[in-house]
Amino acid sequence: NAGVTQTPKFQVLKTGQSMTLQCAQDMNHNSMYWYRQDPGMGLRLIYYSASEGTTDKGEVPNGYNVSRLNKREFSLRLESAAPSQTSVYFCASREQGGSSPLHFGNGTRLTVT
Amino acid sequence: LAKTTQPISMDSYEGQEVNITCSHNNIATNDYITWYQQFPSQGPRFIIQGYKTKVTNEVASLFIPADRKSSTLSLPRVSLSDTAVYYCLVGDTTGGGNKLTFGTGTQLKVEL
Repeated sequence: NAGVTQTPKFQVLKTGQSMTLQCAQDMNHNSMYWYRQDPGMGLRLIYYSASEGTTDKGEVPNGYNVSRLNKREFSLRLESAAPSQTSVYFCASREQGGSSPLHFGNGTRLTVT
Repeated sequence: LAKTTQPISMDSYEGQEVNITCSHNNIATNDYITWYQQFPSQGPRFIIQGYKTKVTNEVASLFIPADRKSSTLSLPRVSLSDTAVYYCLVGDTTGGGNKLTFGTGTQLKVEL
């Protein structure tokens, strides 16, 4: 049981380039999330998807877009990367609502030069 | 959504009990309290969750007073491997309660 899988693990981009971070979960969870974590800081919510077919903005959505491709997959796209987007990106999933906890992937470390 | 406040850092020694308190003054009736642990270069992982009074599992205990405006994570007899960041998360259980935001967390450092 893989849980939450994120690809790639590492990525270096130049300013202005675009890329998509992939996330897939095999736990049949309804809700999925994207967080970013800057060095020495806490996690900030970028976007989330409460259920398949819905997406909502989190705390820091500017500069990002998301797609809930199906129940398993939730991707995060940077259309024009900026150095301020250098961070570690974590994807998480959980059952929709209720008290179910978040399950996290191991993150994608992104550097924008 | 209830905001949470935790100490930025705590230091301890191996074998001691560590208590980390989280303040959540605006907690709603349906909110649960969940604690996560994060090691460097890893995603956070679930430790324990509770609604009221006391919850205990093989890793930790969670104490929640009657007014539920705070909670305390208790780690018995910590070891070096418990050095990590600990996050308190308060999220509601109603249908729209999916916007889960974290506080700053508490960096616990355990020494010999």
